[in-house]
Amino acid sequence: AQKVTQAQTEISVVEKEDVTLDCVYETRDTTYYLFWYKQPPSGELVFLIRRNSFDEQNEISGRYSWNFQKSTSSFNFTITASQVVDSAVYFCALSETPNKNRDDKIIFGKGTRLHILP
Amino acid sequence: EAQVTQNPRYLITVTGKKLTVTCSQNMNHEYMSWYRQDPGLGLRQIYYSMNVEVTDKGDVPEGYKVSRKEKRNFPLILESPSPNQTSLYFCASNRGNSNQPQHFGDGTRLSIL
Repeated sequence: AQKVTQAQTEISVVEKEDVTLDCVYETRDTTYYLFWYKQPPSGELVFLIRRNSFDEQNEISGRYSWNFQKSTSSFNFTITASQVVDSAVYFCALSETPNKNRDDKIIFGKGTRLHILP
Repeated sequence: EAQVTQNPRYLITVTGKKLTVTCSQNMNHEYMSWYRQDPGLGLRQIYYSMNVEVTDKGDVPEGYKVSRKEKRNFPLILESPSPNQTSLYFCASNRGNSNQPQHFGDGTRLSIL
């Protein structure tokens, strides 16, 4: 069955520090997709990145980077030189390849609340 | 502007009084979902729909109903709300299937007394 574990419930770091948010997933499928979403204090949910299981290249977008490792079933998210505006809840999510014999569900982790202290 | 619109944004009601939360998207998306967000539990999928007249249970469907009679609308129905359904609800949509990034509505905060 699908499962997403974000073991870090809450993290606090001082501004300008680097911080890594962990995401570990479980799936029986060989083709699947992983996502990260951000929920700032204002409450909306914002898509950050999607990665499919065949693409293990690390991704960098400005101060954000993602490390996908199939060997450890992890899809970790690193913020470099954190800023107060990065304070939010971050969710990792998983979906498997849909077909007529399988649900087309999306499973979210419980989220990690990140506090960036000035 | 591309958006997912939920109504109402806030609702306080009483146990047993049927209510509907509407969700509408203007992006011609096939896949639509409802989630509830509870402290310590993250986002949990209630129901999803892969297209018109096609709906399926997510992980926490008990106590909820949905319908998808038109592509743009995906209402969430609580026939007999109970206090354990007090939560923050999000509707989302995306093109294709569950493998695509989702666009979320702004959320509906429901309090069932």
